[in-house]
Amino acid sequence: AQSVAQPEDQVNVAEGNPLTVKCTYSVSGNPYLFWYVQYPNRGLQFLLKYITGDNLVKGSYGFEAEFNKSQTSFHLKKPSALVSDSALYFCAVRDGSGLPWGSGGGADGLTFGKGTHLIIQP
Amino acid sequence: KAGVTQTPRYLIKTRGQQVTLSCSPISGHRSVSWYQQTPGQGLQFLFEYFSETQRNKGNFPGRFSGRQFSNSRSEMNVSTLELGDSALYLCAGRQGPSTGELFFGEGSRLTVL
Repeated sequence: AQSVAQPEDQVNVAEGNPLTVKCTYSVSGNPYLFWYVQYPNRGLQFLLKYITGDNLVKGSYGFEAEFNKSQTSFHLKKPSALVSDSALYFCAVRDGSGLPWGSGGGADGLTFGKGTHLIIQP
Repeated sequence: KAGVTQTPRYLIKTRGQQVTLSCSPISGHRSVSWYQQTPGQGLQFLFEYFSETQRNKGNFPGRFSGRQFSNSRSEMNVSTLELGDSALYLCAGRQGPSTGELFFGEGSRLTVL
């Protein structure tokens, strides 16, 4: 079974400082990894994904994430935090080694982490 | 283009009742997934539909069911509501293969009294 761990319930960062939100995963095959952000009373918004290729992935709003296969991690980063980055962040994984999409097989959807509250202080 | 539309946004039911939630994905997105979000359990996968067929199912009791129509719109139904069913129910569409990201609606917040 696949799983995702976000070890920090909350991360506090001063505005202008770099931020990191941690994520580790476990899948039996190749990981497809995603980061989403959720603002209060809203749905989730896609930030970035890693499927294959370059380990450093760049996404929306200046965020990036680094895939580390040996450490099974996919940490979210941003060089300079903004107050508007304050939100709930979710890491998610899907086993990419499943049966072809649409065949009825494969992993049971995306598995999400518990989420990390990111608070950027002015 | 229009985003994912979920209705109703808020609803209150009592134990034992049933509820139907609706989701219209972005045009061209043929896969629709449903998730339940609660403070204690986080995001949990309910089911995924593609071409009117359920493709994947999470670990929820049979009281939770869904369907998809030919225009990709989807509904989920919860029968015999329990207090623990109070949650934000999120629908998400996906355009293509499993490498694609999900596009979420803003959710339907269900309160069971």
